[in-house]
Amino acid sequence: GENVEQHPSTLSVQEGDSAVIKCTYSDSASNYFPWYKQELGKGPQLIIDIRSNVGEKKDQRIAVTLNKTAKHFSLHITETQPEDSAVYFCAATPTSGTYKYIFGTGTRLKVLA
Amino acid sequence: DADVTQTPRNRITKTGKRIMLECSQTKGHDRMYWYRQDPGLGLRLIYYSFDVKDINKGEISDGYSVSRQAQAKFSLSLESAIPNQTALYFCATGHGGATYNEQFFGPGTRLTVL
Repeated sequence: GENVEQHPSTLSVQEGDSAVIKCTYSDSASNYFPWYKQELGKGPQLIIDIRSNVGEKKDQRIAVTLNKTAKHFSLHITETQPEDSAVYFCAATPTSGTYKYIFGTGTRLKVLA
Repeated sequence: DADVTQTPRNRITKTGKRIMLECSQTKGHDRMYWYRQDPGLGLRLIYYSFDVKDINKGEISDGYSVSRQAQAKFSLSLESAIPNQTALYFCATGHGGATYNEQFFGPGTRLTVL
Protein backbone atom coordinates (compact mmCIF):
# COMPACT_ATOMS: atom_id res chain seq x y z
CA GLY A 1 0.00 0.00 0.00
CA GLU A 2 0.87 3.67 -0.10
CA ASN A 3 3.49 4.90 2.32
CA VAL A 4 4.43 8.50 3.00
CA GLU A 5 7.69 9.38 4.72
CA GLN A 6 8.21 12.84 6.17
CA HIS A 7 11.42 14.54 7.33
CA PRO A 8 12.55 16.02 9.57
CA SER A 9 10.47 15.14 12.60
CA THR A 10 11.48 18.37 14.33
CA LEU A 11 12.81 21.59 12.89
CA SER A 12 13.94 24.75 14.65
CA VAL A 13 14.62 27.94 12.72
CA GLN A 14 15.27 31.54 13.60
CA GLU A 15 12.51 34.00 12.92
CA GLY A 16 12.85 35.31 9.38
CA ASP A 17 14.68 32.24 8.10
CA SER A 18 13.21 29.67 5.73
CA ALA A 19 11.95 26.22 6.63
CA VAL A 20 11.72 23.20 4.34
CA ILE A 21 9.86 19.96 5.07
CA LYS A 22 10.18 17.01 2.73
CA CYS A 23 7.94 14.04 1.98
CA THR A 24 8.28 11.00 -0.24
CA TYR A 25 5.51 8.71 -1.37
CA SER A 26 5.50 5.20 -2.74
CA ASP A 27 2.43 4.95 -4.99
CA SER A 28 3.19 6.49 -8.38
CA ALA A 29 -0.59 6.75 -9.01
CA SER A 30 -0.98 9.32 -6.22
CA ASN A 31 -2.34 12.52 -7.71
CA TYR A 32 -3.10 14.95 -4.88
CA PHE A 33 -0.78 16.16 -2.14
CA PRO A 34 -2.15 18.39 0.63
CA TRP A 35 -0.26 19.95 3.51
CA TYR A 36 -1.93 20.44 6.87
CA LYS A 37 -0.95 22.63 9.81
CA GLN A 38 -1.92 21.60 13.32
CA GLU A 39 -1.74 24.15 16.09
CA LEU A 40 -1.73 23.12 19.72
CA GLY A 41 -5.13 21.84 20.86
CA LYS A 42 -6.67 22.04 17.41
CA GLY A 43 -7.39 19.80 14.48
CA PRO A 44 -5.25 19.90 11.32
CA GLN A 45 -6.10 22.61 8.81
CA LEU A 46 -5.27 22.64 5.11
CA ILE A 47 -2.69 25.31 4.22
CA ILE A 48 -1.76 24.42 0.66
CA ASP A 49 -2.12 21.57 -1.78
CA ILE A 50 -0.77 20.52 -5.15
CA ARG A 51 -2.06 18.26 -7.89
CA SER A 52 0.04 15.84 -9.86
CA ASN A 53 -0.15 17.91 -13.06
CA VAL A 54 1.57 20.89 -11.41
CA GLY A 55 5.20 21.20 -10.36
CA GLU A 56 4.98 24.14 -7.98
CA LYS A 57 2.38 26.23 -6.21
CA LYS A 58 2.78 29.35 -4.08
CA ASP A 59 0.55 31.15 -1.63
CA GLN A 60 2.22 34.17 -0.06
CA ARG A 61 5.01 32.87 2.19
CA ILE A 62 4.35 29.18 1.60
CA ALA A 63 5.07 27.07 -1.46
CA VAL A 64 4.93 23.41 -2.36
CA THR A 65 7.00 21.66 -5.01
CA LEU A 66 6.35 18.27 -6.53
CA ASN A 67 8.78 15.98 -8.30
CA LYS A 68 6.73 13.11 -9.75
CA THR A 69 9.73 11.28 -11.13
CA ALA A 70 11.40 11.11 -7.76
CA LYS A 71 8.06 10.80 -5.95
CA HIS A 72 8.73 13.53 -3.48
CA PHE A 73 7.18 16.85 -2.56
CA SER A 74 8.25 19.61 -0.24
CA LEU A 75 6.78 22.48 1.78
CA HIS A 76 8.72 25.73 1.82
CA ILE A 77 7.97 28.50 4.31
CA THR A 78 9.86 31.76 3.83
CA GLU A 79 10.30 34.63 6.28
CA THR A 80 9.12 32.44 9.15
CA GLN A 81 7.20 34.02 11.99
CA PRO A 82 6.46 32.76 15.53
CA GLU A 83 2.88 31.95 14.49
CA ASP A 84 4.25 29.44 12.00
CA SER A 85 5.22 27.26 14.96
CA ALA A 86 3.04 24.15 14.72
CA VAL A 87 3.04 20.54 13.55
CA TYR A 88 2.90 20.12 9.78
CA PHE A 89 1.62 17.01 8.02
CA CYS A 90 1.97 16.04 4.41
CA ALA A 91 -0.41 13.57 2.80
CA ALA A 92 -0.96 11.73 -0.45
CA THR A 93 -4.00 10.17 -2.02
CA PRO A 94 -3.00 6.66 -3.05
CA THR A 95 -5.33 6.33 -6.07
CA SER A 96 -7.60 8.71 -7.89
CA GLY A 97 -11.19 8.82 -6.68
CA THR A 98 -10.85 7.05 -3.35
CA TYR A 99 -10.44 10.30 -1.41
CA LYS A 100 -8.42 8.68 1.32
CA TYR A 101 -5.29 10.27 2.64
CA ILE A 102 -2.12 8.60 3.78
CA PHE A 103 -0.44 11.04 6.12
CA GLY A 104 3.20 11.51 6.89
CA THR A 105 4.34 11.30 10.49
CA GLY A 106 4.48 15.05 11.01
CA THR A 107 7.12 17.74 11.53
CA ARG A 108 7.16 19.93 14.61
CA LEU A 109 8.36 23.36 13.52
CA LYS A 110 9.60 25.82 16.11
CA VAL A 111 10.30 29.37 15.05
CA LEU A 112 12.63 31.02 17.53
CA ALA A 113 12.17 34.73 18.12
CA ASP B 1 -13.28 24.23 12.82
CA ALA B 2 -16.64 25.03 14.43
CA ASP B 3 -18.45 23.32 11.55
CA VAL B 4 -17.17 19.94 12.73
CA THR B 5 -17.75 19.21 16.40
CA GLN B 6 -16.59 16.30 18.49
CA THR B 7 -17.85 15.15 21.86
CA PRO B 8 -16.45 14.62 24.38
CA ARG B 9 -13.25 16.65 24.05
CA ASN B 10 -11.53 14.68 26.77
CA ARG B 11 -12.33 11.29 28.24
CA ILE B 12 -10.63 9.08 30.78
CA THR B 13 -11.88 5.53 31.05
CA LYS B 14 -10.82 2.13 32.30
CA THR B 15 -9.80 -1.00 30.47
CA GLY B 16 -12.79 -3.01 29.27
CA LYS B 17 -15.26 -0.14 29.20
CA ARG B 18 -17.33 0.67 26.13
CA ILE B 19 -16.71 4.16 24.79
CA MET B 20 -18.45 6.16 22.10
CA LEU B 21 -16.99 9.25 20.46
CA GLU B 22 -19.38 11.40 18.51
CA CYS B 23 -18.91 13.68 15.53
CA SER B 24 -21.37 16.13 14.04
CA GLN B 25 -20.97 18.44 11.07
CA THR B 26 -22.94 21.32 9.62
CA LYS B 27 -20.98 21.51 6.37
CA GLY B 28 -23.40 19.33 4.42
CA HIS B 29 -20.57 17.03 3.41
CA ASP B 30 -21.32 13.44 2.55
CA ARG B 31 -17.89 12.04 3.38
CA MET B 32 -16.80 11.52 6.95
CA TYR B 33 -13.66 10.01 8.43
CA TRP B 34 -12.24 8.92 11.78
CA TYR B 35 -8.49 9.20 12.40
CA ARG B 36 -6.26 8.37 15.29
CA GLN B 37 -3.16 10.47 16.10
CA ASP B 38 -0.23 9.11 18.07
CA PRO B 39 3.09 10.87 18.67
CA GLY B 40 5.55 10.02 15.91
CA LEU B 41 2.96 8.12 13.91
CA GLY B 42 0.95 10.92 12.38
CA LEU B 43 -2.70 10.46 11.52
CA ARG B 44 -3.96 7.00 10.70
CA LEU B 45 -7.35 6.27 9.19
CA ILE B 46 -9.68 4.08 11.28
CA TYR B 47 -12.94 4.13 9.30
CA TYR B 48 -14.52 6.25 6.62
CA SER B 49 -17.98 6.68 5.15
CA PHE B 50 -18.98 8.20 1.82
CA ASP B 51 -22.72 7.97 2.46
CA VAL B 52 -25.15 7.04 5.21
CA LYS B 53 -25.23 3.44 3.93
CA ASP B 54 -21.51 3.22 3.19
CA ILE B 55 -18.94 2.18 5.80
CA ASN B 56 -15.34 1.26 5.02
CA LYS B 57 -12.42 0.09 7.09
CA GLY B 58 -9.26 2.13 7.14
CA GLU B 59 -5.70 1.19 8.06
CA ILE B 60 -6.35 0.37 11.72
CA SER B 61 -9.98 -0.68 12.23
CA ASP B 62 -9.38 -3.58 14.63
CA GLY B 63 -10.97 -2.89 18.02
CA TYR B 64 -13.18 -0.10 16.64
CA SER B 65 -16.63 0.15 15.08
CA VAL B 66 -18.57 3.04 13.61
CA SER B 67 -22.11 4.12 12.94
CA ARG B 68 -23.31 6.70 10.41
CA GLN B 69 -26.61 7.70 11.96
CA ALA B 70 -27.28 10.47 9.50
CA GLN B 71 -25.37 12.42 6.90
CA ALA B 72 -24.28 14.82 9.61
CA LYS B 73 -23.36 12.31 12.33
CA PHE B 74 -20.62 9.70 12.48
CA SER B 75 -19.76 7.97 15.74
CA LEU B 76 -16.78 5.83 16.70
CA SER B 77 -17.08 3.08 19.31
CA LEU B 78 -14.52 1.16 21.28
CA GLU B 79 -16.40 -1.93 22.46
CA SER B 80 -13.84 -2.87 25.08
CA ALA B 81 -11.21 -0.18 25.52
CA ILE B 82 -7.59 -1.13 26.06
CA PRO B 83 -4.63 1.07 27.12
CA ASN B 84 -3.00 1.12 23.67
CA GLN B 85 -6.11 2.88 22.37
CA THR B 86 -5.02 5.91 24.35
CA ALA B 87 -4.66 8.57 21.65
CA LEU B 88 -6.04 11.73 20.10
CA TYR B 89 -9.00 11.01 17.83
CA PHE B 90 -10.09 13.25 14.98
CA CYS B 91 -13.20 13.29 12.89
CA ALA B 92 -13.02 14.85 9.42
CA THR B 93 -15.44 15.60 6.61
CA GLY B 94 -15.12 16.00 2.88
CA HIS B 95 -17.28 17.08 -0.03
CA GLY B 96 -18.01 14.21 -2.34
CA GLY B 97 -18.49 16.38 -5.38
CA ALA B 98 -14.98 17.75 -5.29
CA THR B 99 -12.39 16.27 -7.60
CA TYR B 100 -9.67 16.80 -5.05
CA ASN B 101 -11.03 16.32 -1.60
CA GLU B 102 -9.97 18.74 1.10
CA GLN B 103 -10.77 17.29 4.49
CA PHE B 104 -12.00 19.46 7.35
CA PHE B 105 -11.05 18.29 10.80
CA GLY B 106 -12.81 18.62 14.11
CA PRO B 107 -10.98 19.76 17.27
CA GLY B 108 -10.23 16.22 18.43
CA THR B 109 -11.04 14.00 21.40
CA ARG B 110 -8.27 13.07 23.79
CA LEU B 111 -8.95 9.55 25.08
CA THR B 112 -7.04 7.98 27.93
CA VAL B 113 -7.58 4.31 28.78
CA LEU B 114 -6.23 3.32 32.17
